[in-house]
Amino acid sequence: RKEVEQDPGPFNVPEGATVAFNCTYSNSASQSFFWYRQDCRKEPKLLMSVYSSGNEDGRFTAQLNRASQYISLLIRDSKLSDSATYLCVVNRANDMRFGAGTRLTVKP
Amino acid sequence: ETGVTQTPRHLVMGMTNKKSLKCEQHLGHNAMYWYKQSAKKPLELMFVYNFKEQTENNSVPSRFSPECPNSSHLFLHLHTLQPEDSALYLCASSQVRGTGGMETQYFGPGTRLLVL
Repeated sequence: RKEVEQDPGPFNVPEGATVAFNCTYSNSASQSFFWYRQDCRKEPKLLMSVYSSGNEDGRFTAQLNRASQYISLLIRDSKLSDSATYLCVVNRANDMRFGAGTRLTVKP
Repeated sequence: ETGVTQTPRHLVMGMTNKKSLKCEQHLGHNAMYWYKQSAKKPLELMFVYNFKEQTENNSVPSRFSPECPNSSHLFLHLHTLQPEDSALYLCASSQVRGTGGMETQYFGPGTRLLVL
């Protein structure tokens, strides 16, 4: 079983749509959680950290369920510029584990 | 953004060549990392350096040799690579706290390596 699993997609959605990505992780001792965004042929960049209480940053909402070892990212009112691969990242003791990513394409 | 820089950005080398990848971070972080990203695969952590000391080597073949002369610079020395080593090599840095916690990692733009 992979340490961090994500639906690879691709997700193809129209502008303005709401889209949700899911991620599960296998190590219950994981301490911190992140969503990164990676554009084609670019490096990953931090999108947001994920907190147990859930957190929101503009159109983006992240949720964490430690009991189910599940993380989600919700994007509302999708923009063309949201097209990218979204990486779920789980950290334990300075060891970051990345999911393979979920590819999103937002179309006009 | 110039927080983490990497050179060269692209590299083509033969299997008998020796080359080095360079990474520099300007963020005052105390930890640096090498990752490998192959097509359609997750990022694979290769090496971790905390305070210039190597703390992790994830079963990386000896044809990859890291060097961390100070907390701002990290090298990856390459020799006798194989075609399957072709990938994007990403450097990252972060600030590791004394409690073992870690702030998020910031990545360089990567070196796209092709081994012929």
